[in-house]
Amino acid sequence: DQQVKQNSPSLSVQEGRISILNCDYTNSMFDYFLWYKKYPAEGPTFLISISSIKDKNEDGRFTVFLNKSAKHLSLHIVPSQPGDSAVYFCAASANTGNQFYFGTGTSLTVIP
Amino acid sequence: DAEITQSPRHKITETGRQVTLACHQTWNHNNMFWYRQDLGHGLRLIHYSYGVQDTNKGEVSDGYSVSRSNTEDLPLTLESAASSQTSVYFCASSDPGQRLFFGEGSRLTVL
Repeated sequence: DQQVKQNSPSLSVQEGRISILNCDYTNSMFDYFLWYKKYPAEGPTFLISISSIKDKNEDGRFTVFLNKSAKHLSLHIVPSQPGDSAVYFCAASANTGNQFYFGTGTSLTVIP
Repeated sequence: DAEITQSPRHKITETGRQVTLACHQTWNHNNMFWYRQDLGHGLRLIHYSYGVQDTNKGEVSDGYSVSRSNTEDLPLTLESAASSQTSVYFCASSDPGQRLFFGEGSRLTVL
């Protein structure tokens, strides 16, 4: 049973506009969330994270929002650039284990 | 620079053969993980280790084993390869801040 879900397999956005990638989770014990970016034939690379004590974390063009009551997080990329075209995975872990559970990924295409 | 490397990057084998995928990290991280990536499933945890001599099963551990004899290496062994184990395998280690650092992946094809 998938504990972390990304319901949109793909997303296309015009360059300069905002990209919003969504992620839902079912396990209320999750307290740490991460986003990873993956280019073809490469390993995923860490992008941004957020702890459950926060509802927002920002790093340059990337902002992650966490809504604990809805068990939902989102990644905003503003402005989107063609180099952002990649597959984005969200992941979650509970403090007890350092085990990370990943979503199925969303393929973002930024159109020049 | 510290890094994590996997070998081989590509492997073709036959059903029933034993296969070992190597993973080596130079960050001195205690925590190491093996994931497989399949379409429609994302990244799924196979095995993980919190330190030397420690190994634990993940959500898809059947048919796989790992060993941790030192901090740097976590080899993944498929005892008897099956076609269902055709996948891309990623090794990772995590820092004290709980960020995972991934290798470049090993693509395994079982014929």
